[in-house]
Amino acid sequence: DAGVIQSPRHEVTEMGQEVTLRCKPISGHNSLFWYRQTMMRGLELLIYFNNNVPIDDSGMPEDRFSAKMPNASFSTLKIQPSEPRDSAVYFCASIRFQGHTDTQYFGPGTRLTVL
Amino acid sequence: GENVEQHPSTLSVQEGDSAVIKCTYSDSASNYFPWYKQELGKGPQLIIDIRSNVGEKKDQRIAVTLNKTAKHFSLHITETQPEDSAVYFCAASMGDRDDKIIFGKGTRLHILP
Repeated sequence: DAGVIQSPRHEVTEMGQEVTLRCKPISGHNSLFWYRQTMMRGLELLIYFNNNVPIDDSGMPEDRFSAKMPNASFSTLKIQPSEPRDSAVYFCASIRFQGHTDTQYFGPGTRLTVL
Repeated sequence: GENVEQHPSTLSVQEGDSAVIKCTYSDSASNYFPWYKQELGKGPQLIIDIRSNVGEKKDQRIAVTLNKTAKHFSLHITETQPEDSAVYFCAASMGDRDDKIIFGKGTRLHILP
């Protein structure tokens, strides 16, 4: 299995631009998570989906952030407009939830720099 | 909601010595406790996990202990090696009720030659 795939691996953009991060979960997994990692705040859960439905988006910092999961094999995290404080590494993770929590498999992350 | 505290934030040990990282959790309903290792430039990877029906689990040089009464759990690495240098995260989850995992802030482990 290829594991969780994220693209792009690195993104540099200017303040005010729209940024779209992409994630392909492991085939057969039914839950998908978006995390943000910074030195100051550690690993923060932004939003997660179960069977393509958003379950908890309480970690999304503000309306500039949005996430979608149109099907079981693809999800996007969009920031519009981007700000320098959004600079971080964004991880996607997936899991096969079968009534009890199991291993979350993380992607390699997208390093976002907003100038 | 659940809150996971982890300490120390940084730990340096001599190669060959043991390392211990400790975590506490707040919600007694949590019943699944994974540990992740994150190497530079990579995503976190599971190294060991424990469920609340056991008090200890071991896998080669790595062991985890769980004290449900005190709501704390620990990671023990014995005979540390240079490749153990990484950031380690503890986490907690309510397992059968939720697939969300709450992470601690991480411990940066340095193995000194």
